[in-house]
Amino acid sequence: AQSVTQPDIHITVSEGASLELRCNYSYGATPYLFWYVQSPGQGLQLLLKYFSGDTLVQGIKGFEAEFKRSQSSFNLRKPSVHWSDAAEYFCAVGAWNNDMRFGAGTRLTVKP
Amino acid sequence: ETGVTQTPRHLVMGMTNKKSLKCEQHLGHNAMYWYKQSAKKPLELMFVYSLEERVENNSVPSRFSPECPNSSHLFLHLHTLQPEDSALYLCASSQERGQFYEQYFGPGTRLTVT
Repeated sequence: AQSVTQPDIHITVSEGASLELRCNYSYGATPYLFWYVQSPGQGLQLLLKYFSGDTLVQGIKGFEAEFKRSQSSFNLRKPSVHWSDAAEYFCAVGAWNNDMRFGAGTRLTVKP
Repeated sequence: ETGVTQTPRHLVMGMTNKKSLKCEQHLGHNAMYWYKQSAKKPLELMFVYSLEERVENNSVPSRFSPECPNSSHLFLHLHTLQPEDSALYLCASSQERGQFYEQYFGPGTRLTVT
């Protein structure tokens, strides 16, 4: 079965700085990859997804992610972080005939 | 109401109580899910329903009992819970079951077992 690792439990960045959140997956075939964001007291909201095609995908709120098969990674990036981006971010992987599996999440703190 | 709603948002119950969590989706989806979210752990998929039929039960203890009376409603019945069951319980839905379909989440029910 597929699995996901988010190596960073907590990241702090300054407002206006760039951001990269790491995600590594384990799956033998082409995975279906997702990034979700969870604000305090809320459910998860989809930021972006990758199924096939262009390996750089654009999402909502100015986020993008790049699929790198050779590194089994799907890292999330944003060029300039806003205070409202403070939240928990989850990477997820879907596989053929299997439901999604989520990582443990990375909590993002934004310093003024 | 739009999206996925969950009630109650917070629940405190003793170990001998019986309570139910409710989820409703207003998206016309055919698949619904229950997840357990504990601190510092990945989301745990508990149950999956597709067209009101339970298709997955991930070794969840019998003290958790799901019910899906129709494609818009999902319940999680709780009885004789343990303190380690305290967590955020999230409901989600998707157009169909499967890896192609993004899941839409409710805000969750914060459960505390005393």
